[in-house]
Amino acid sequence: DAKTTQPPSMDCAEGRAANLPCNHSTISGNEYVYWYRQIHSQGPQYIIHGLKNNETNEMASLIITEDRKSSTLILPHATLRDTAVYYCIVTGAGSYQLTFGKGTKLSVIP
Amino acid sequence: EAQVTQNPRYLITVTGKKLTVTCSQNMNHEYMSWYRQDPGLGLRQIYYSMNVEVTDKGDVPEGYKVSRKEKRNFPLILESPSPNQTSLYFCASTTLSSTDTQYFGPGTRLTVL
Repeated sequence: DAKTTQPPSMDCAEGRAANLPCNHSTISGNEYVYWYRQIHSQGPQYIIHGLKNNETNEMASLIITEDRKSSTLILPHATLRDTAVYYCIVTGAGSYQLTFGKGTKLSVIP
Repeated sequence: EAQVTQNPRYLITVTGKKLTVTCSQNMNHEYMSWYRQDPGLGLRQIYYSMNVEVTDKGDVPEGYKVSRKEKRNFPLILESPSPNQTSLYFCASTTLSSTDTQYFGPGTRLTVL
């Protein structure tokens, strides 16, 4: 019973913004949206998370729609090192198990 | 440097030969867990621990054991490995703060012949 839906793959030109969408139409009020990425077969790496407000950190921005049914992860200036599988995960506060779907494979092209 | 370490990183073994994969974190995290990753199936949680001496099953615990005698360590034990346990294994840790992020180890690639 998938909580999130992501496109299986996307391409982005190096230096351009990468916008990765995620649908989470069944999200409940106390659930957060987390983004992790996995570069090749390395351990997943946390990127950003949010509840309802847009968030920004040194790696990315997270835009959550007002109805919270979808969100977009933005990598403002994609580099080749951003090539990875990006996972959008919805989980409640106090729930520590991360349910990974298939994610979006982002390929940054020179 | 805050990190989760795993050993070994690569292991080839034979069916039935007991093995342990170690996991250690230096961040004083209460919560630790193990995942396995298989092609087409994504990452699935095997076991987790909320604190010392407190462990519980995840989604795919069959064939595995864990222990949590110290806060920093959370070893994964395969008493009698089988070929279907060939996989990429990740250890993760986090605090029990409701929104804290999880830190993952570098992975252990296990092959059981």
